[in-house]
Amino acid sequence: DAKTTQPPSMDCAEGRAANLPCNHSTISGNEYVYWYRQIHSQGPQYIIHGLKNNETNEMASLIITEDRKSSTLILPHATLRDTAVYYCIVRRGGGFKTIFGAGTRLFVKA
Amino acid sequence: SAVISQKPSRDICQRGTSLTIQCQVDSQVTMMFWYRQQPGQSLTLIATANQGSEATYESGFVIDKFPISRPNLTFSTLTVSNMSPEDSSIYLCSVEDTKGSTDTQYFGPGTRLTVL
Repeated sequence: DAKTTQPPSMDCAEGRAANLPCNHSTISGNEYVYWYRQIHSQGPQYIIHGLKNNETNEMASLIITEDRKSSTLILPHATLRDTAVYYCIVRRGGGFKTIFGAGTRLFVKA
Repeated sequence: SAVISQKPSRDICQRGTSLTIQCQVDSQVTMMFWYRQQPGQSLTLIATANQGSEATYESGFVIDKFPISRPNLTFSTLTVSNMSPEDSSIYLCSVEDTKGSTDTQYFGPGTRLTVL
């Protein structure tokens, strides 16, 4: 599985958009980009995933560059409850394990 | 998405003893995974457990220390054997949900283990 690079921490003001970047320059054609978050002491929560098209759901938007070497997770209106560690992961679908990196610790401030 | 529960949610154990953690899923799943999260660290995969076959362990983890059972498609157990304080971690069960268009892993709430 391809490795990912994320900034160790980021700050965001409450109510503003949080844009979390991820580099995955060695991603292969059949690997998806997944995002999870882990709020303190809880199990990781699935947020969104995509292959090459931009994706949006009720939680977030995922923007993947055309060359697929990087992506950005967007939380459109961050709240204090969005303070968490966000993990960007690339993996193939269908029976392949998820390997976690260090993630980005997002602090949403009032 | 699959709903996953774990028992116990937390425990405090004495060194040298063993603890068995249970993972129950509300639907049948082929693949289940066990992770460990040491204090302040990211998640580390311990093993993959498929029903009807031996678990596959990641480098650094062995069956004698972390035996796993997978008796059916909705249940698995992880035992932490002969515990030491270094085993103090959160242990998480995860399953792969194949109902959607893409297979996605979901995680249980975790079991917080403290070894004295």
